[in-house]
Amino acid sequence: NAGVMQNPRHLVRRRGQEARLRCSPMKGHSHVYWYRQLPEEGLKFMVYLQKENIIDESGMPKERFSAEFPKEGPSILRIQQVVRGDSAAYFCASSGLSKAKNIQYFGAGTRLSVL
Amino acid sequence: ELKVEQNPLFLSMQEGKNYTIYCNYSTTSDRLYWYRQDPGKSLESLFVLLSNGAVKQEGRLMASLDTKARLSTLHITAAVHDLSATYFCAVDMGYGGSQGNLIFGKGTKLSVKP
Repeated sequence: NAGVMQNPRHLVRRRGQEARLRCSPMKGHSHVYWYRQLPEEGLKFMVYLQKENIIDESGMPKERFSAEFPKEGPSILRIQQVVRGDSAAYFCASSGLSKAKNIQYFGAGTRLSVL
Repeated sequence: ELKVEQNPLFLSMQEGKNYTIYCNYSTTSDRLYWYRQDPGKSLESLFVLLSNGAVKQEGRLMASLDTKARLSTLHITAAVHDLSATYFCAVDMGYGGSQGNLIFGKGTKLSVKP
């Protein structure tokens, strides 16, 4: 059973470019969460999605950031017109249908560097 | 707003010693998670604590939860070098069975020296 797959692992962008981060949840999981981690910090929640629905986007910056989880294919976190402050590790997590435990399994992350 | 505070943030231990990491949180929640992260790697789930008084043990690590005090502890017994990593506690924003996002503490960076 493959784990949560994220790609790319490393992404370098120049200021003003777009960044697209992909996340395929674990098989059988329908809940996807995106988190951002700055150096020496804990993870900060960004958005929670189920298939074709955004459930909670309270942690998403109001501008330039968007996320989707289409019926087919991976979840995408999109950052438009990147700035240096967007440099961080972005982690995706997925969980299954068990509401009782809600164990979130994390991918290896995408490390975004903005030049 | 839910806040999660861990202490200490940095911990240097000698092999063979015991120590406890504390995780306090500010509002009601009935589920708490401990994760381990090695440098440049993802997070590995260690423990899920789902009720007041819950205690889980795995090897040299033991975690407990006191929901009334809003406190969880991660106790390390007879530390070994392989335990060197950053340990995060995370509190589930959902309550009473709802699915929610996790609020993380800043992490405790543990270094075990010979």
